[in-house]
Amino acid sequence: EIVLTQSPGTLSLSPGERATLSCRASQSVSSYSLAWYQQKPGQAPRLLIYGASSRATGIPDRFSGSGSGTDFTLTISSLEPEDFAVYYCQQYGSSPTFGQGTKVQIK
Amino acid sequence: QVQLVQSGAEVKRPGSSVKVSCEASGGSFNTYPISWVRQAPGQGLEWMGGIIPIFDSPYYAQKFQGRVTINADKSTSTGYMELRSLRSEDTAVYYCARGGIIGTMGWFDPWGQGTLVTVSS
Repeated sequence: EIVLTQSPGTLSLSPGERATLSCRASQSVSSYSLAWYQQKPGQAPRLLIYGASSRATGIPDRFSGSGSGTDFTLTISSLEPEDFAVYYCQQYGSSPTFGQGTKVQIK
Repeated sequence: QVQLVQSGAEVKRPGSSVKVSCEASGGSFNTYPISWVRQAPGQGLEWMGGIIPIFDSPYYAQKFQGRVTINADKSTSTGYMELRSLRSEDTAVYYCARGGIIGTMGWFDPWGQGTLVTVSS
C-alpha cells in the first residue's frame, strides 16, 4: 500500500496569502495518479485537482497542483475566506489511499 | 451531472451488520466505478473498496477484506456497501463516490452526502 504523508499538519495563514501544501508518497505514484480534495466541516470532500495538475470542473484558477513520482504540491495562490478548510491528497495509481490531511486555518 | 444520494443514518449494535445504499442519477452508472470511503469522527478519509458495475467485480482494501461486501444493481443504478461484525471503531460517516476514470477506481467525483453509522451498545 502506498502511504501518503501530508505536511504541514496545520497551516495558519491570512486571507490573500499563498498556501503551499505538500504530499509525499512512500513509493512512486504511477502516471501522475494523484488528486486533491477540499473538505469543510459537515460536508463531503470536493475534488479540486486530478492527474496531479488538472483542475476539476468549476475550480478557481487560484488552485494549482504540481509534482510527480513521490512529491506533490497543492498551491493556493491567494487565499479567499472560503478556502479555509482541510485538504487531502489521494493516489489512485494502485489501491487508493489518502493522506492524513492538512488544515488551513485563519491566522 | 451525476448525483449520488445515500440512505439515511443508522444506529447499530456491536456485532451486527449495516448496509448502506447509494443511488445514482443524471449520468452513466455502469461504466464508472463506485467507491466507498469512510471518515471516523475528527479523522481522515479511508478507502474501503469499490466496484465497476459493468464488470460486477468488487475491489476491497486489505483492511476490510472479509468484513465488507460491495455490490451494485445496474437496473436501479444503486450501489451497496455492507459491513459486518460491527465494532465501536466503525462509527463513522460512510461516503459513496464515483470514480473519474472508466476501468479503474480513479479519483472521486462526485460524492454522496454521507451516511452516519453509529455503533453503540
